[in-house]
Amino acid sequence: QVQLQESGPGLVKPSQTLSLTCTVSGGSINTGGYYWSWIRQHPGKGLEWIGYISYSGSTYYNPSLQSRVTISSDTSKNQFSLKLTSVTAADTAVYYCASESTTVDYWGQGTLVTVSS
Amino acid sequence: EIVMTQSPATLSVSPGERATLSCKASQSIRSNLAWYQQKPGQASRLLIYAASTRAADIPARFSGSGSGTEFSLTISSLQSEDFAVYFCQQYTDWPRTFGQGTKLEIK
Repeated sequence: QVQLQESGPGLVKPSQTLSLTCTVSGGSINTGGYYWSWIRQHPGKGLEWIGYISYSGSTYYNPSLQSRVTISSDTSKNQFSLKLTSVTAADTAVYYCASESTTVDYWGQGTLVTVSS
Repeated sequence: EIVMTQSPATLSVSPGERATLSCKASQSIRSNLAWYQQKPGQASRLLIYAASTRAADIPARFSGSGSGTEFSLTISSLQSEDFAVYFCQQYTDWPRTFGQGTKLEIK
């Protein structure tokens, strides 16, 4: 069973860059047919899909965030990462990493990132 | 993008009773709909995909139906562990989009 664990700072200052890493165990991010995704949830709100990096290294981002998002991977560490630039208070959310085929098959537990000075 | 709308926002049901949750898509998504369960402090889990197919190890009391733009999730006899937040998600198109969630609470 694939397990995912998010890590990174829980507090980021406005205008700075949010950086999170997802460590994958129980499976390889090189496995064909899988997408490694980031999803966020604003406090008390629904889920917003941020983007993915595929097993082949291709990426796709939500157009609403595309100008500020980069997702990358480190296959040697079986990790993938999220960078979100120029953050504001509106980026305060729980951030989840996930594994998708067509559906989101596995989720991390999520990590709260607060944007505040 | 495809907008997913869930109702109600909160549903109060007694244990042992049936609960039915609704999800509507802003355009046809055929049967490309999934349901997820979210509990505090736990990883969310996939319950239903292809609108009506239970994921591995999901109890038979969970069932999904619908196609096109209207979908529902039914839990036939609520157990204590079923009280949680439920999300629907379309996977017809990118970006993937989710409903706002239905909180299922104990009455």
